[in-house]
Amino acid sequence: NAGVTQTPKFQVLKTGQSMTLQCAQDMNHEYMSWYRQDPGMGLRLIHYSVGAGITDQGEVPNGYNVSRSTTEDFPLRLLSAAPSQTSVYFCASSLNRGNQPQHFGDGTRLSIL
Amino acid sequence: GQQLNQSPQSMFIQEGEDVSMNCTSSSIFNTWLWYKQDPGEGPVLLIALYKAGELTSNGRLTAQFGITRKDSFLNISASIPSDVGIYFCSQGGSEKLVFGKGTKLTVNP
Repeated sequence: NAGVTQTPKFQVLKTGQSMTLQCAQDMNHEYMSWYRQDPGMGLRLIHYSVGAGITDQGEVPNGYNVSRSTTEDFPLRLLSAAPSQTSVYFCASSLNRGNQPQHFGDGTRLSIL
Repeated sequence: GQQLNQSPQSMFIQEGEDVSMNCTSSSIFNTWLWYKQDPGEGPVLLIALYKAGELTSNGRLTAQFGITRKDSFLNISASIPSDVGIYFCSQGGSEKLVFGKGTKLTVNP
């Protein structure tokens, strides 16, 4: 099993550009989530999904959209990138909502110029 | 919203020393999870705690779920250079998961 796969690993964008960060898991997990990690801030929840067709906002959702059309995939979209969105983004999944340990991808390092 | 206060923020220790870090919350949790993040990688689960008072070990790591259900600690015994990284606590049992800000551990050989 590959676990949680994130692509791309690195990306540089210009302010105003749009982009989709991809996340796929092959463990048949119901719960998937996106976090951003900034120095000294830990991991902050952006959006999460408890199953296909269901998404909800986390702590810092502004500027990001998500969709969950399949159990396996949970893409994160930046519609108009801003320098404040420069960060490392992690996707994670778990068997079901909340109570189970999260399996994390290796992250996408995103820079907005 | 829920907040987790993790301390210390960073630690610089000599190889062979023991390490202790903790996490506190203003809310009661049903699950405490401890993760480690190596440089350039995603966090990996170290220990999961599901019951108040539970004491669980994983090799040189020991974690406890506080009796009040509002705190947890993680101990590392006889540290080695590969223990370097950031350690995060996290709560479980809800959909909106919250993580502590992490304890960055540096081990000097």
